Amino acid sequence: KAGVTQTPRYLIKTRGQQVTLSCSPISGHRSVSWYQQTPGQGLQFLFEYFSETQRNKGNFPGRFSGRQFSNSRSEMNVSTLELGDSALYLCASSGGQDFSEAFFGQGTRLTVV
Amino acid sequence: AQSVAQPEDQVNVAEGNPLTVKCTYSVSGNPYLFWYVQYPNRGLQFLLKYITGDNLVKGSYGFEAEFNKSQTSFHLKKPSALVSDSALYFCAVRGNQAGTALIFGKGTTLSVSS
Repeated sequence: KAGVTQTPRYLIKTRGQQVTLSCSPISGHRSVSWYQQTPGQGLQFLFEYFSETQRNKGNFPGRFSGRQFSNSRSEMNVSTLELGDSALYLCASSGGQDFSEAFFGQGTRLTVV
Repeated sequence: AQSVAQPEDQVNVAEGNPLTVKCTYSVSGNPYLFWYVQYPNRGLQFLLKYITGDNLVKGSYGFEAEFNKSQTSFHLKKPSALVSDSALYFCAVRGNQAGTALIFGKGTTLSVSS
């Protein structure tokens, strides 16, 4: 069974630009969550989608947005990039039930210069 | 508010010795607890979870964790460490409703020497 796939693996962007990251969950999983990992703040929750609906959202500015498609694939968009947005962005998929564990992709390393 | 504490930034252990990585949590209600491991430039790999039932949970790669409700702890253990276990370990907690966020600890770097 294929795992969670994130593309691209690495990105370099300039301040002020926008970026879109993609995540394909494990087949059959309908829940996709996004996390930001930085050395200073650790792992922080961005948002979670289930069946194309955002169920939960973390404490990030509106520049961070996401969506989920009918095939459960998800995209995350960051507009007007700032230097502080440099991070490893991790996507996780789960079956969506209360007791389900999350399985993570390898992440997208975003560097803003 | 939910929170997770991993009191040790780094744990050093010799190969073949038992290892413990500590985790304490604060959450209202019954917690769902998880351990993940991260290797350099990789995502997080799921090791084990506690939802309910037996306080001793067995997971991947010979790891286990003991849930202690009175001490609000969920320490990760392994009877005999391997050099290949060297990695960054995260404890996480979340509420028992689907869609709630995982709250992670800061992580503990495990270093196993040969």
